[in-house]
Amino acid sequence: EVQLLESGGGLVQPGGSLRLSCAASGFTLSNYAVSWVRQAPGKGLEWVSVISVSGGSTYFADSVKGRFTISRDSSKNTLYLQMNNLRAEDTAVYYCAKLVGSPGVWGQGTLVTVSS
Amino acid sequence: DIQMTQSPSSLSASVGDRVTITCRASQGIRNDLGWYQQKPGKAPKRLIYTASSLQSGVPSRFSGSGSGTEFTLTISSLQPEDFATYYCLQHNSYPLTFGGGTKVEIK
Repeated sequence: EVQLLESGGGLVQPGGSLRLSCAASGFTLSNYAVSWVRQAPGKGLEWVSVISVSGGSTYFADSVKGRFTISRDSSKNTLYLQMNNLRAEDTAVYYCAKLVGSPGVWGQGTLVTVSS
Repeated sequence: DIQMTQSPSSLSASVGDRVTITCRASQGIRNDLGWYQQKPGKAPKRLIYTASSLQSGVPSRFSGSGSGTEFTLTISSLQPEDFATYYCLQHNSYPLTFGGGTKVEIK
């Protein structure tokens, strides 16, 4: 079964850092462009970042550019999102998701709360 | 950046009703669009990909159409389990962008 499983969320103070992980099973992560998507409490969905199949290209939403980085460890079949200089407005459930092609797959999400 | 304008933002409907949701792209995106259903506390679930292809396992009462800048999601006969929030997503170019969502409520 094709699955994605996020981990690493939690409570962090403003200005702090956190690294999210997304472990894939049932498929090879590096063969697809997998994104991070977030959803603030009571709000809609916001695309955050993606890493290309080759790993040579990364893209970010303007809201996180310069603060977040995305990477992948093929040996662990795992995607990462390094989040630095976190702000209150980064509070959200973060999902990793294979958005293009079939099947489409989403993880269950991990909650990040930025608060003092 | 491509803006996705989704309408309506909410609607009230009865079981058995035909429901149509629209997304308009600020520029042409070919058929690079998906439709998602999200229930409270759950991850989104893709219903339609490439504008009109039904995701495996999704009931046939869901259908998608459109190309270029205008897209629609139709539920032919609304069922109790269909009350949820629906989003469109364009994946034609980065940054990817979602529509604002349509909350489908029980009348």
